[in-house]
Amino acid sequence: EALLLDSGGGLVQPGGSLRLSCDTSGFDFRNNAMSWVRQAPGKGLEWVSGIGGDGFTHYADSVKGRFTISRDISKNTLYLQMTSLRVEDTAIYYCAKDILWWTFDSWGQGTLVTVSS
Amino acid sequence: EIVLTQSPATLSLSPGERATLSCRASQSVSSHLGWYQQKPGQAPRLLIYDASTRPTGIPARFSGSGSGTDFTLTISSLEPEDFAVYYCQQGSNWPLTFGRGTKVEIK
Repeated sequence: EALLLDSGGGLVQPGGSLRLSCDTSGFDFRNNAMSWVRQAPGKGLEWVSGIGGDGFTHYADSVKGRFTISRDISKNTLYLQMTSLRVEDTAIYYCAKDILWWTFDSWGQGTLVTVSS
Repeated sequence: EIVLTQSPATLSLSPGERATLSCRASQSVSSHLGWYQQKPGQAPRLLIYDASTRPTGIPARFSGSGSGTDFTLTISSLEPEDFAVYYCQQGSNWPLTFGRGTKVEIK
């Protein structure tokens, strides 16, 4: 069974930075695509960024140039480096594991990022 | 960007009734579509992937159909635990996108 554990959220001022982590186990992390998905308070789901098993990365336009997705295969850990944070980045951030064609069969519990002065 | 339009926004039904949820894509996504259920305070749960495939452990009362631009999630007989918000999501084109959700509430 795949397990994903998100961490790293917190309160940060506009313009600040934060790094989220997603520790994983129970599946072939090296060869599996992964994504970050967020959900603003009371709103729907928004895909943020993804990394393929081949290491290629993809971003939503809203975060391109500010967020960087990466992974450490030796630690089975996914990261999201967030810079130049804006109030509208406030959300619960989930890491998610791909099952097929970028749909997600396992999710972390979510970590809350609050951007506020 | 592919826009996914879900309808209705809210569905008011009683336990035991059949629920039919729609998801329409602004352009073809082939069969690369998933459906998720989300309850308050919880992460989403995948119900259907590849338009019609149920992951292990998902009850048979959940079924998906469609291809191209029109998709349907059917819950054959609502159980009390099925009242939640349902999202569709396409994995065909970048950026990946979700619909705005359908809330299935108790009538």
